[in-house]
Amino acid sequence: EAQVTQNPRYLITVTGKKLTVTCSQNMNHEYMSWYRQDPGLGLRQIYYSMNVEVTDKGDVPEGYKVSRKEKRNFPLILESPSPNQTSLYFCASSHDSNTEAFFGQGTRLTVV
Amino acid sequence: AQSVSQHNHHVILSEAASLELGCNYSYGGTVNLFWYVQYPGQHLQLLLKYFSGDPLVKGIKGFEAEFIKSKFSFNLRKPSVQWSDTAEYFCAVNGPNTGGFKTIFGAGTRLFVKA
Repeated sequence: EAQVTQNPRYLITVTGKKLTVTCSQNMNHEYMSWYRQDPGLGLRQIYYSMNVEVTDKGDVPEGYKVSRKEKRNFPLILESPSPNQTSLYFCASSHDSNTEAFFGQGTRLTVV
Repeated sequence: AQSVSQHNHHVILSEAASLELGCNYSYGGTVNLFWYVQYPGQHLQLLLKYFSGDPLVKGIKGFEAEFIKSKFSFNLRKPSVQWSDTAEYFCAVNGPNTGGFKTIFGAGTRLFVKA
C-alpha cells in the first residue's frame, strides 16, 4: 500500500530536549516536505526536498533542521524545541514539486 | 504578499444544502491548483486538482471546482452536502511563481453539516 509514515504520532517533550520526527514514503517520490498546521493559519511549509541531498527552506524554517540522505526518508529535527513549536506536523511526498501531495497521519507535538 | 485566500473560515450547512467554498490566489503565470480535505482527526487527502485543460474539474465524493483564470479563483462546489462532509477544506497552489518549488496552502475552511 502506498503511504507516508510518520513517527511518533504523539509526543510531549520539554523545552530544549532535542527530538526527531521520522518520515518515510514507499512511492519512490522525489519531492518531500514538512508542514506545520496551526489553527487559523492552515498549513505552512517548514522545509522541502527536491531529491536526495537537496533541501531548502520553506516559509517557517526557524528552529528546524532536515536531512535527505535517502530518497524514502526525510526526518524533521528540532535541536532545541520551544513552546511555540507546539503544533501538528505533517510530512508529505509527491512525484515532483508540481503534483499532488500524499500526507502522513500527522505528529502532534507538545513542548512544555 | 502573495497568498492563497479562503474567504470563509467556518461554514455551517444543513444536509442537502448546496456548498460553495471560495479560494483566490495571487500568483501569476502557470499554476497548479488543489483542494484537500481533512476529516476530523485524520490527515489531508486530495479532493481534486487542476493542472490544465477543462477548467471545470470533478473530484471524489461529488465535489467539483471551477478554475477562473481572470478572477484568480478556484472555488469548490457540491450540489448537496451530507453529514459525512463535515471536515476542514484547504485550497493549495503551486507553480513557478510560488517561490521556488513551494506549495502554498490557504488557512482552511471548517465545514459543519447538520444532520
